[in-house]
Amino acid sequence: QSALTQPASVSGSPGQSITISCTGTSSDVGGYNYVSWYQQHPGKAPKLMIYEVSNRPSGVPDRFSGSKSGNTASLTISGLQAEDEADYYCSSYTSSSTKVFGGGTKLTVL
Amino acid sequence: QVQLVQSGAEVKKPGASVKVSCKVSGYTLTELSMHWVRQAPGKGLEWMGGFDPEDGETIYAQKFQGRVTMTEDTSTDTAYMELSSLRSEDTAVYYCALWNDGYNYAFDIWGQGTMVTVSS
Repeated sequence: QSALTQPASVSGSPGQSITISCTGTSSDVGGYNYVSWYQQHPGKAPKLMIYEVSNRPSGVPDRFSGSKSGNTASLTISGLQAEDEADYYCSSYTSSSTKVFGGGTKLTVL
Repeated sequence: QVQLVQSGAEVKKPGASVKVSCKVSGYTLTELSMHWVRQAPGKGLEWMGGFDPEDGETIYAQKFQGRVTMTEDTSTDTAYMELSSLRSEDTAVYYCALWNDGYNYAFDIWGQGTMVTVSS
């Protein structure tokens, strides 16, 4: 199972919006709505930000949103804030009942 | 509220085995789907395996099959991940994480991580 493809880095200024893509195949991202996104600050455990493509857990700001088209899922963060600077990972359920992560994207808030 | 508390850092020699524990509090392990994810220094997250409630079995990533064993002690609500034949590339932080099957189909609870260093 190959890792999902994410851009290595994205950046944006405070208040702006950014989008991180996550590309897989019809056996994972494209085949199921079980795509999730995680935020990880340095030295910390990952934190769930989006589940089932576009749902936010309680406590996650509505500035975070998710979507999917075909084999590509996306995470959008609007109204960027300094504390959003972190690494972001997508993940998907797969046809073999395994799970797979993306390579991760480093978000820099300029 | 469910919490996961992992065992402390380990230093192992190449060829040895390591066993990391993950204690569940606030819930019963038998009703949860425990998984393990690792992260090498400066690298991304890598799913290693976990319990599949649909089949009632533990499934492993192909990369680790034959070298990893995930077990549970239901009497103490503790999960274990044992990795054998360690090599330097296994140096990583190992996380236990709960897959919420049937609700959000995501890893919604994570342990704090256990650093495993493989060095001669």
